[in-house]
Amino acid sequence: GQQLNQSPQSMFIQEGEDVSMNCTSSSIFNTWLWYKQDPGEGPVLLIALYKAGELTSNGRLTAQFGITRKDSFLNISASIPSDVGIYFCAGHSNAGNMLTFGGGTRLMVKP
Amino acid sequence: DSGVTQTPKHLITATGQRVTLRCSPRSGDLSVYWYQQSLDQGLQFLIQYYNGEERAKGNILERFSAQQFPDLHSELNLSSLELGDSALYFCASRGGALRGYTFGSGTRLTVV
Repeated sequence: GQQLNQSPQSMFIQEGEDVSMNCTSSSIFNTWLWYKQDPGEGPVLLIALYKAGELTSNGRLTAQFGITRKDSFLNISASIPSDVGIYFCAGHSNAGNMLTFGGGTRLMVKP
Repeated sequence: DSGVTQTPKHLITATGQRVTLRCSPRSGDLSVYWYQQSLDQGLQFLIQYYNGEERAKGNILERFSAQQFPDLHSELNLSSLELGDSALYFCASRGGALRGYTFGSGTRLTVV
């Protein structure tokens, strides 16, 4: 089946630093989504990408849909303590009609 | 509030038992997806329903089943429960190709 490799698995950074995480896939996706999950809660959609090469921002977050359609990255600029959580990439394939999730990146921010 | 409602929020039950998890999708969304998240793991797709019909199946065990009712709410039935079934179970709904998946807050199942 489809596999999504997300890296890094965890990051421990200083407040104010920029963060970058990425996902790669062995298969092509039609849509890439980035979610954040807080403890005990469901994933919340941060950014959705629908076209290869697309670069989209949401406040301090920027994500890109790779040109090969097999990868995506998420950048967070000037991190703040409330950015703490687990970030998941997810790919959607029209053929599979479901979301496939990466393993998550656990972000910890030191004030 | 995401608009996707899951009940109950917590469930503790014994091995061998059967439980039913319930999901009400966001208003107007026809698709419902069920995911399982074990401790510190990613989300594993279980099954999808669209307007009452099963559309896609992931790595769902034979002991698990689901259905979607005419009012579009969905239920996930887990039977002959084992300790390893302890996990967070999430439901997500989707309204169309260009709408993202919206997740509920999940049901935390603990099998003892």
